[in-house]
Amino acid sequence: EAQVTQNPRYLITVTGKKLTVTCSQNMNHEYMSWYRQDPGLGLRQIYYSMNVEVTDKGDVPEGYKVSRKEKRNFPLILESPSPNQTSLYFCASGRSTGSYSNQPQHFGDGTRLSIL
Amino acid sequence: EDQVTQSPEALRLQEGESSSLNCSYTVSGLRGLFWYRQDPGKGPEFLFTLYSAGEEKEKERLKATLTKKESFLHITAPKPEDSATYLCAVLHGSSNTGKLIFGQGTTLQVKP
Repeated sequence: EAQVTQNPRYLITVTGKKLTVTCSQNMNHEYMSWYRQDPGLGLRQIYYSMNVEVTDKGDVPEGYKVSRKEKRNFPLILESPSPNQTSLYFCASGRSTGSYSNQPQHFGDGTRLSIL
Repeated sequence: EDQVTQSPEALRLQEGESSSLNCSYTVSGLRGLFWYRQDPGKGPEFLFTLYSAGEEKEKERLKATLTKKESFLHITAPKPEDSATYLCAVLHGSSNTGKLIFGQGTTLQVKP
């Protein structure tokens, strides 16, 4: 079954304690991306990756890091989490967005982070 | 400023009452417009991609259309199971970028 898997699904932690949210896809997609979803603000792109070792900033990258060492995995790292990073996070994957082949994205079921 | 705006924010329909959701955009270099459905507690689920003005896509009771400034998601004779939040998103910019901008969504409730 084609899927994007995020872990953990829920996490409550404290300010400053480094955390990593993992994301894995089994569709051999080149493109992966992270979003956060907040009430009234909708989904906002944090980082995206066009392929292995290629990452770029979305609209709200501050306070986040990503890495893409292999095609299937795209972890989101919060080195020093703060309360304003409390949110619902989604990982997504899709075929390459090069030229005209803008393929849709598959989303994971989300990770709810609470930073106290 | 690149922007995607959806209206209305919320829509309540009776079963069988057709309507349309709007997604207007102001971006440079549109490369694709996506519609998604999101159920509570779930990630968005892909519905349609539209690439150029005049294009239309259909799936069951849903039909998406695109003009140079906006897209519509038409819902014909909706059923309660169509209740969800509908999101549109725009892929824009040069071909070597993957920036996606989402609208804030329209929450649809269909009453039996």
